[in-house]
Amino acid sequence: EVQLLESGGGLVQPGDSLRLSCAASGFTFSSYAMNWVRQAPGKGLEWVSAISASGDYTYYADSLKGRFTISRDKFRNTLFLQMNSLRAEDTAVYYCAKVGSRGSYFHAFDMWGQGTKVTVSS
Amino acid sequence: QLVLTQSPSASASLGASVKLTCTLTSGHSNYVIAWHQQQPEKGPRYLMKVYSDGSHTKGDGIPDRFSGSSSGAERYLSISTLQSEDEADYYCQTWDTGTVFGGGTKLTVL
Repeated sequence: EVQLLESGGGLVQPGDSLRLSCAASGFTFSSYAMNWVRQAPGKGLEWVSAISASGDYTYYADSLKGRFTISRDKFRNTLFLQMNSLRAEDTAVYYCAKVGSRGSYFHAFDMWGQGTKVTVSS
Repeated sequence: QLVLTQSPSASASLGASVKLTCTLTSGHSNYVIAWHQQQPEKGPRYLMKVYSDGSHTKGDGIPDRFSGSSSGAERYLSISTLQSEDEADYYCQTWDTGTVFGGGTKLTVL
């Protein structure tokens, strides 16, 4: 069974850092690009970042301005999102999502995790 | 700029049918889109891809009640024989050099 399980969320103060993880199972992790998507309270889905299957290429939403870094570990089948200089507007549920086409950087997401909640507040 | 537009809300009665719309910006009318369902307090679930020729491919386990179609820059998600569990937010997604989501449509089953 294909499964994505996020962890690492929590309550942090403005300016803090946090690293999210997404453990993947049930598919060949190293063959698919992966993404992070977030959803602020009461709002819609917002794409955050993508990483190619090999990990060699990364992409970010313009709004992040270099504060976030996506990475992956093919040996642990895990996706990461390092978030620095956190702001109140980063408060959201963060989802990892798998791309549905082998080898494509961008494609329909065919599997989502259950999300991990990040709250940035003083 | 690639943008997806969805109506904020829709409603239909239990057992009836509904058609949700996702509109691509001008110049992107040949793009494929995906539909995702998000039930209350849950993560999104992939439903299907809808192509510009009107064809669609559904995700595993998606009931036959769900179907997709297309006309010009519009992509549709149709749900027949509405059930209470269909009450959810529905998002369309497309991609180019990044991923774009529509604002979502909140479907209420009356």
